[in-house]
Amino acid sequence: DAKTTQPPSMDCAEGRAANLPCNHSTISGNEYVYWYRQIHSQGPQYIIHGLKNNETNEMASLIITEDRKSSTLILPHATLRDTAVYYCIVRVFTSGTYKYIFGTGTRLKVLA
Amino acid sequence: GAVVSQHPSWVICKSGTSVKIECRSLDFQATTMFWYRQFPKQSLMLMATSNEGSKATYEQGVEKDKFLINHASLTLSTLTVTSAHPEDSSFYICSATGQPQETQYFGPGTRLLVL
Repeated sequence: DAKTTQPPSMDCAEGRAANLPCNHSTISGNEYVYWYRQIHSQGPQYIIHGLKNNETNEMASLIITEDRKSSTLILPHATLRDTAVYYCIVRVFTSGTYKYIFGTGTRLKVLA
Repeated sequence: GAVVSQHPSWVICKSGTSVKIECRSLDFQATTMFWYRQFPKQSLMLMATSNEGSKATYEQGVEKDKFLINHASLTLSTLTVTSAHPEDSSFYICSATGQPQETQYFGPGTRLLVL
């Protein structure tokens, strides 16, 4: 079962910041949070990941709460091309391998 | 980021035939590759994990004799759907990770339609 819960959909105005929340209340101390997005009929695209510190790269920022039970992905200036399904994933170690268990994701629609 | 390719991007086949899908890591050595399946309007479901040179590990409910996985080199894994049936029609996506296992990089996916 997925260790994350996300709202099924969100809208965001073009040019505004998109803030996508994720709950992962059962996360373990050494499990990373990863964010990907999937544009229709394509493979997921890596965005960012973190353990407990906030992270920023050229695509987005990741804010992780101090208790690590939730996080927020921030797209600072959303464009129409950011319309996609965004997946928050907790990477788990099982059967000797790190695996992703995908949840249902958030369908973000950026509006002109 | 790292690049993963898949071939073919789409395939149509008759019921009962077998279909092979290739997954390649183009600019890094993939010690572990993963195969996922995605039905319309659903999330990705992990099917199996393969490590180079060893047998694949299948998730519960995935038939290993139906979905044959081979990871013969550090840059190539193949998924063969044997005796395909219409219910096997889906979007198949691979991903790859290097050493140490960190970020998974996904291929563009292969859309399979079984008639």
